[in-house]
Amino acid sequence: DIVLTQSPLSLPVTPGEPASISCRSNQSLLHSTGYIFLDWYLQKPGQSPQLLIYLGSNRASGVPDRFSGSGSGTDFTLKISRVEAEDVGVYYCMQALQPPQITFGPGTKVDLK
Amino acid sequence: QVRLVQSGAEVKKPGSSVKVSCKASGGTFSTYAISWVRQAPGQGLAWVGGIIPISGGAHYAQRFQGRVTITADESTRTAYLEMSSLRSEDTAVYYCARDMRASGSYLSFQYWGQGTLVTVSS
Repeated sequence: DIVLTQSPLSLPVTPGEPASISCRSNQSLLHSTGYIFLDWYLQKPGQSPQLLIYLGSNRASGVPDRFSGSGSGTDFTLKISRVEAEDVGVYYCMQALQPPQITFGPGTKVDLK
Repeated sequence: QVRLVQSGAEVKKPGSSVKVSCKASGGTFSTYAISWVRQAPGQGLAWVGGIIPISGGAHYAQRFQGRVTITADESTRTAYLEMSSLRSEDTAVYYCARDMRASGSYLSFQYWGQGTLVTVSS
């Protein structure tokens, strides 16, 4: 199976400051189509997960432009340009390169300092 | 607007079975993959399996293979997750989620149900 690791696992943030989360895969997530099969999700406290970034770098509908995704191959980054209080929660990366072996990272808990 | 509404919480005895439903409204149902994702208390997310209703065939994560059955009823726009031989470790919130595009596979889960808590306890 493809294993995803995230760092850090806990990230205290200051509103207005930038934040960054790393996701690493033990295999390249570059599909033969040329797309990166890596998504980012945010699970706010008490809520269902929500899609933030799909195919590595595309913001999902309604996602603020302070969120961006980048990376290639095995190393990926989610960046928040200026954290807002509503951004707290757990962030997960997920790969779907080889269904049905779809896996999530362990999650990064983001909370306010 | 696509909306997924799941059935209510369940309490089950070890060794029994549970069936959770996920009813979709809005958008197209048959050609979009529906996945089931579970989250044990205080834990992360795990993909259980999924189905593309029009194809009829379901796919399962290896760790759940043999104990989980996923089906879909196109006439009622409802997907189902059935899990048998329940054990305490299956206590979790189970989410259904629909793909962003009708890609013929499982890619990006744009729409999520509200989750169903399944508690397995003697």
